Amino acid sequence: AQKVTQAQTEISVVEKEDVTLDCVYETRDTTYYLFWYKQPPSGELVFLIRRNSFDEQNEISGRYSWNFQKSTSSFNFTITASQVVDSAVYFCALGIHNTDKLIFGTGTRLQVFP
Amino acid sequence: DAGVIQSPRHEVTEMGQEVTLRCKPISGHNSLFWYRQTMMRGLELLIYFNNNVPIDDSGMPEDRFSAKMPNASFSTLKIQPSEPRDSAVYFCASSLDRGLQGYTFGSGTRLTVV
Repeated sequence: AQKVTQAQTEISVVEKEDVTLDCVYETRDTTYYLFWYKQPPSGELVFLIRRNSFDEQNEISGRYSWNFQKSTSSFNFTITASQVVDSAVYFCALGIHNTDKLIFGTGTRLQVFP
Repeated sequence: DAGVIQSPRHEVTEMGQEVTLRCKPISGHNSLFWYRQTMMRGLELLIYFNNNVPIDDSGMPEDRFSAKMPNASFSTLKIQPSEPRDSAVYFCASSLDRGLQGYTFGSGTRLTVV
């Protein structure tokens, strides 16, 4: 079965703190894709990143970085020097090769206080 | 590009009424997805189309729900008759390459059935 677990329901930090959002996935497929989406208070879903199962290189984009580890089936997301504008719900998702479905985790609500 | 356009943004209707949600995907995208988001169930895939053809509607909760994609630039999700438990945010998303390059989501339609 395919499944995405985001164990952290809600995280609160103070501005400028670093924060890591955890994502653990389950699949028996060897080819799959992992995604992160951001849902700010306005409600839209914003695509952040896509990784495929054959590329375990970590990625950095500004203050955002992602750590993909197949050994632990994890795809964690770190925000460095958090800002109030980072406050949102963040979703991790799993896509299986040769299907069109994305399986979403339940999301982690991040609140960044000034 | 204007992105994925959904209408209406908000809909309030009485139980038993027919509701039609509309979606215009990004031009050139060949996959279209309807998701529902609730507090209890999170993001659920209802149905998706590839090249205007419904591929998987196993997520459609009941026969009261139906979706169509008469052409590449328009899709509808209809609920008839509506019930209070249908209250949710309904997202439409589109993608190139069957969704695995990352979906672009619309702003969603917040449906309230009273």
